[in-house]
Amino acid sequence: DADVTQTPRNRITKTGKRIMLECSQTKGHDRMYWYRQDPGLGLRLIYYSFDVKDINKGEISDGYSVSRQAQAKFSLSLESAIPNQTALYFCATSDNAGTAYNEQFFGPGTRLTVL
Amino acid sequence: GDSVTQMEGPVTLSEEACLTINCTYTATGYPSLFWYVQYPGEGLQLLLKATKADDKGSNKGFEATYRKETTSFHLEKGSVQVSDSAVYFCALSARNQGGKLIFGQGTELSVKP
Repeated sequence: DADVTQTPRNRITKTGKRIMLECSQTKGHDRMYWYRQDPGLGLRLIYYSFDVKDINKGEISDGYSVSRQAQAKFSLSLESAIPNQTALYFCATSDNAGTAYNEQFFGPGTRLTVL
Repeated sequence: GDSVTQMEGPVTLSEEACLTINCTYTATGYPSLFWYVQYPGEGLQLLLKATKADDKGSNKGFEATYRKETTSFHLEKGSVQVSDSAVYFCALSARNQGGKLIFGQGTELSVKP
């Protein structure tokens, strides 16, 4: 089984709808991240969480919110989706030892299309 | 702020050709540097990393050397294979940022038989 899973893998929705993307991990890591990937822009950090009680905004948090329900679960919500939120979304995890050079482990991604 | 710049793609090579993907960075202090690879339809996975100046990361025939004097971390491979076709991302992690990664824009590599 995959260590980092994301649901759904694909979603098409309409402008104004509320959407939740879910991420689960079995790696036992404390740190979890949400990124979006856009062509030509690489990955940009939306939110990150260093433990269950710690939530931080990333580079592009406007229009998004998150919930860290447990060590293993980190959800991303779009309260009112808009077309420019159409992108590929990735969840990632890392442990908290030697923070500057820890590998991040990525889920398979969720492709979201907002019409 | 910190940033990473990669050469633009797509890059198309024939099998067994030499590969270089350029990556330069801007950061305060001494970040750790990474190359991640994204195969079609998959998430990113770590390819190699270097944590201090002059370190060389290597994996699967790829290598990159952390050059502080030129603020670069170019990815190289002497002989590419069709299976190397993927998108490659250079990234940095600043030591005072708790492990957050800053990515370059990605370079798509296509290797033809």
